[in-house]
Amino acid sequence: DTGVSQDPRHKITKRGQNVTFRCDPISEHNRLYWYRQTLGQGPEFLTYFQNEAQLEKSRLLSDRFSAERPKGSFSTLEIQRTEQGDSAMYLCASRSQGQMNTEAFFGQGTRLTVV
Amino acid sequence: GNSVTQMEGPVTLSEEAFLTINCTYTATGYPSLFWYVQYPGEGLQLLLKATKADDKGSNKGFEATYRKETTSFHLEKGSVQVSDSAVYFCALSNVNYGGSQGNLIFGKGTKLSVKP
Repeated sequence: DTGVSQDPRHKITKRGQNVTFRCDPISEHNRLYWYRQTLGQGPEFLTYFQNEAQLEKSRLLSDRFSAERPKGSFSTLEIQRTEQGDSAMYLCASRSQGQMNTEAFFGQGTRLTVV
Repeated sequence: GNSVTQMEGPVTLSEEAFLTINCTYTATGYPSLFWYVQYPGEGLQLLLKATKADDKGSNKGFEATYRKETTSFHLEKGSVQVSDSAVYFCALSNVNYGGSQGNLIFGKGTKLSVKP
């Protein structure tokens, strides 16, 4: 399968713990996006990478959140000191360089539950 | 800022009924418009897209026309099937304007249930 893969699919953590999610994009895609989706809402943009450079961060990305894409391939999203409000589905998407209108391919997401 | 508004769900239809899901947008510049679909237990998939005014996107019997004058991109299908039951998201792609490099802005989603 050459689609976008995310790991883990589900994560339950206690409030205050740190969690890290991984995204493996489609191999030839140099653009990678993280989104957050809460129940009954559409996905909301969190941050964007072009190769290894993090080019944009949404105001939704508090200082407890950090994302990396060290070699321009896979990416990680870490949440420190989790809060119950962080419970959501975290989606990763990738797309190819060049045209703005190329399709973004989404992974199946990581569902985070903070208890 | 840019935004997408789509009709509230859930929408319940009988098989072979006509479907319309309304979507309107607010945007600066000239965004591309998309419909994504999320089937139960699966990730988001692109259903169709349109990149400029008056373009019509189509796929699997679904259609949507980019209407700049009404800032709309309504999704339609002439005859729905049970297998079309899913959540549908309207989205626009931020153009390279003020730094946003093509991230998507989504509506809240409309859940469609089709009964046999």
